[in-house]
This record gives sequence, C-alpha cells and structure tokens, in this order.
Amino acid sequence: GENVGLHLPTLSVQEGDNSIINCAYSNSASDYFIWYKQESGKGPQFIIDIRSNMDKRQGQRVTVLLNKTVKHLSLQIAATQPGDSAVYFCAENGAAGNKLTFGGGTRVLVKP
Amino acid sequence: DSGVTQTPKHLITATGQRVTLRCSPRSGDLSVYWYQQSLDQGLQFLIQYYNGEERAKGNILERFSAQQFPDLHSELNLSSLELGDSALYFCASSRLAYTDTQYFGPGTRLTVL
Repeated sequence: GENVGLHLPTLSVQEGDNSIINCAYSNSASDYFIWYKQESGKGPQFIIDIRSNMDKRQGQRVTVLLNKTVKHLSLQIAATQPGDSAVYFCAENGAAGNKLTFGGGTRVLVKP
Repeated sequence: DSGVTQTPKHLITATGQRVTLRCSPRSGDLSVYWYQQSLDQGLQFLIQYYNGEERAKGNILERFSAQQFPDLHSELNLSSLELGDSALYFCASSRLAYTDTQYFGPGTRLTVL
C-alpha cells in the first residue's frame, strides 16, 4: 500500500464487462482495508471495506477479496458502467489510531 | 455527498504566507483527519484528532498545525508557505478513533505562487 508517486496504472474496460483492480499492501499487521473511488475534482468516496478476519465481502456490484498470505487486496466491479470511470485507491489501517496508508491508485476508463 | 464540509474550495496565496483550512465533520463523528494529496506523493496522512485531542500524527511538517474545537470542527493551519505546499488538502471524519470508515470531504485546493 505504499504510495508509488506519479505512476498511475490504467485499466481500460468495455462497458458491461467486469473490472478487477489489484492492490498490494505493505503492513502485515494491517487489520482493516478500504477501497475508495475518486472522481476528478472530488474527494475520495468510500466504496467498500473489509476486516482482516474476512477474505471476501460483497456490496452492490462490488466485491473485495483479501489474501493476507501474499498481502493482496482486489476490488471487482461487476457490469462496469461509464459512471465507474475514476481513480480507485486501496487503503490499509495498520497503525495506532486510524491512520490510513493509501496505495498509488488505479485509473479505470470505461469505454462505451 | 459525504456530509463532511470543507472551506474554502480554492485558495491562492503567495510564498511565505499563512492560511487556515476549515473542516466540519459528519454529524455524530468525533474523529477528524487531514490528508494532503499532491501529484508526486499521492494521498498522505497528516494528523488525526479525536474529540479535541490529537490522536495520531503522520508526515506533517512543523510549519503545519491543526486543532479540533469543542464543536468538533477542525482547522489546519499552514504557515511560511512554499511552492511545494501546493496540493489538495482533504479532511475526513469517522465516528470512532480507530478501525472505522473515514468519509472524506470535497477538499481544498491550495495554490502557492
């Protein structure tokens, strides 16, 4: 989950297809993970979260998978829509308090 | 709309100046966080307050300070501004002090000329 600076991987997906966004987190002690969506000019918007005692959680059209063995988190978006075009960030909470460490983000572009 | 409000939306100032950013958390949230988002550093945690007390500190410069008031709103003060301080500053809030969902405000875009 370390910030990777300017490099922002991009995922291009056809409207209606499923999207999978991956994230590697850094702290094996992290016990809470969140996915955020950020549209241009807006603040990060909460999508879904998962705690370390779970390996899968589903929401509306979204599923988060957690693999603690390899410190990997993924977000699956079903039937991707044009409104899903945004930058997606994973965040981990492994420190005292509620400090979030964000990944570098993935840009999702939905082609009509 | 997350329920977190931030003012101002945009701020343009000169190097060496001081500015104050304001945040009101969601109703019922006791914890407030400040984050900086810049092109070269991504989203970085600055500081957390819970019910008026500082709870956690991140990569916050000594020129920056924050506080949370009894009505739970928070202010982030940035002084002796440098060009590199130009960034988006986000406030987030949560009900609990730990392991709780943080909801972000719309941000303040600071431009230092």
